[in-house]
Amino acid sequence: SAVISQKPSRDICQRGTSLTIQCQVDSQVTMMFWYRQQPGQSLTLIATANQGSEATYESGFVIDKFPISRPNLTFSTLTVSNMSPEDSSIYLCSVCYSSSAGNQPQHFGDGTRLSIL
Amino acid sequence: QKEVEQNSGPLSVPEGAIASLNCTYSDRGSQSFFWYRQYSGKSPELIMSIYSNGDKEDGRFTAQLNKASQYVSLLIRDSQPSDSATYLCAVPPLSGGSNYKLTFGKGTLLTVNP
Repeated sequence: SAVISQKPSRDICQRGTSLTIQCQVDSQVTMMFWYRQQPGQSLTLIATANQGSEATYESGFVIDKFPISRPNLTFSTLTVSNMSPEDSSIYLCSVCYSSSAGNQPQHFGDGTRLSIL
Repeated sequence: QKEVEQNSGPLSVPEGAIASLNCTYSDRGSQSFFWYRQYSGKSPELIMSIYSNGDKEDGRFTAQLNKASQYVSLLIRDSQPSDSATYLCAVPPLSGGSNYKLTFGKGTLLTVNP
């Protein structure tokens, strides 16, 4: 399978600031997703990153807080804006390779561990 | 609302035993099922996919699917301390199109004791 690289791997940020997380895949993928995983919890989907158009956000997540870009089939960014301690979490990029019906698994990057002071 | 349910555990087994992890799902039409392993502080890693009723074996891992009863299980034979992790069950949408979202269970924490 392809290599999925996320940067940064971890960061400690001040409240009120913003951080952009990058996800780079070494081959073209059909779908890219962004998840959040809070301590001791399962994965929560933030949005689907759409190539060349606005991301599709899940209930409870908005573009102003989590702007997402996907300029091509191998790269996406997630920005966590105006951060507060509640945003402390692991943020994960995942990809899906298949262009067929949605019966293919997703593969995850190593994640970004974000702490807000 | 599609749901995927797992016992949160922790499930504790001795080294060498069989660990049995279970998952039930609410969408009767689901066609694909995935098991992920997540070590503490790491990201989820796909370990098994199963699409048809019955058993699928891969090394020490066996996935079992029963669509009539709407459950999927993961058996780990000869459990090793290195198998200690959280195991996540995931189910994709019934129809594909442009929506490939997975619904994840909350995960079962497995501890294998030496």
